[in-house]
Amino acid sequence: GNSVTQMEGPVTLSEEAFLTINCTYTATGYPSLFWYVQYPGEGLQLLLKATKADDKGSNKGFEATYRKETTSFHLEKGSVQVSDSAVYFCALSAGGGTSYGKLTFGQGTILTVHP
Amino acid sequence: NAGVTQTPKFQVLKTGQSMTLQCAQDMNHEYMSWYRQDPGMGLRLIHYSVGAGITDQGEVPNGYNVSRSTTEDFPLRLLSAAPSQTSVYFCASSRQGTNQPQHFGDGTRLSIL
Repeated sequence: GNSVTQMEGPVTLSEEAFLTINCTYTATGYPSLFWYVQYPGEGLQLLLKATKADDKGSNKGFEATYRKETTSFHLEKGSVQVSDSAVYFCALSAGGGTSYGKLTFGQGTILTVHP
Repeated sequence: NAGVTQTPKFQVLKTGQSMTLQCAQDMNHEYMSWYRQDPGMGLRLIHYSVGAGITDQGEVPNGYNVSRSTTEDFPLRLLSAAPSQTSVYFCASSRQGTNQPQHFGDGTRLSIL
């Protein structure tokens, strides 16, 4: 079956530090890959996505590249801000027919950024 | 534009009680789903629907029922609450297609005593 593995957390950084959150996946076929962010007390919001190999998703300074050869979709940001403190989820959506839209999530990574 | 609306936001139940979590979306999305979020486990799919009158089980369906009588609404019913169902529940909706992002509600925090 499909699975997503995220790096162990939590991650604590100082403002303006470089961020990497690792994500690897196992899936049949050609999944679409997503990063979602959850701010305290809120639901999940789409951060970025990539739908085919070598695609780069980007949003709000965050980037992730769909690497089929390494089955990875690592999230990066060059300079984090206190407002980036949240939980980050890597997810995939795979399969056709009635499987569309079913997301498989990683366990989430808590990011805390200090001033 | 309200997006996905979940009610209630918080609920405390006693073991054995039943209740319905409500979910409504105003984006005319075909696909709707329910997830539960537990610490260290990410989100796990409970049930989903690809359109009115069509539902199917996800990864953790036991103890939950769903129905989809309209495009807009997708309620989740707990038949006989158990402490293991203490969790945060999220409803999501999307257009058809595996590359379509899910739109999530703000969640319902449920405690079973």
